[in-house]
Amino acid sequence: EAGVAQSPRYKIIEKRQSVAFWCNPISGHATLYWYQQILGQGPKLLIQFQNNGVVDDSQLPKDRFSAERLKGVDSTLKIQPAKLEDSAVYLCASSLASGVGYTFGSGTRLTVV
Amino acid sequence: AQSVTQLDSQVPVFEEAPVELRCNYSSSVSVYLFWYVQYPNQGLQLLLKYLSGSTLVESINGFEAEFNKSQTSFHLRKPSVHISDTAEYFCAVSERGGGSNYKLTFGKGTLLTVNP
Repeated sequence: EAGVAQSPRYKIIEKRQSVAFWCNPISGHATLYWYQQILGQGPKLLIQFQNNGVVDDSQLPKDRFSAERLKGVDSTLKIQPAKLEDSAVYLCASSLASGVGYTFGSGTRLTVV
Repeated sequence: AQSVTQLDSQVPVFEEAPVELRCNYSSSVSVYLFWYVQYPNQGLQLLLKYLSGSTLVESINGFEAEFNKSQTSFHLRKPSVHISDTAEYFCAVSERGGGSNYKLTFGKGTLLTVNP
């Protein structure tokens, strides 16, 4: 089966600019996750979707981060305006509703300068 | 709320030596447990997982982990490591029967460095 697709792979922006990341999950996976992985740390959940509804966004900095999942398939994560501390790898993952298997994309490495 | 503690941030070992990467978790309900591996500049790959049944689970490349409910641990072991095992290893947990909230919570990772 095809994996979780993410784009772009790399992005360099200046602080205060905006950026968007795209994720296409595995077909049939109802649940989609966005994680932020800062260098040297474990991935931290930013937001979780079940179909096109938000299940958990408690750790999403809502003053600058937003995410949507149109029609319960693809998802975009946006940062506006970006800060230096947003430099990280942004990982998208998807799973069946049972929560026993998660598939991760290759991630987008964001550098804010 | 669930949490994961990886007790060692870095573990250096020599090639062909045994290794253990320690992981403890906290949760108020039953859990599923996972180990992921991340090679330099690559994404996360599932190494092995415990869902139910035998508490000892194995991967195809010689790693194994044992679920210990009483000690709330899921330590990862390999009897003889190779240079190619050098990577960051993440322990993760999700809660069983959590309704729609099946989020995966990660530890901070353990960097395994295998030296010749």
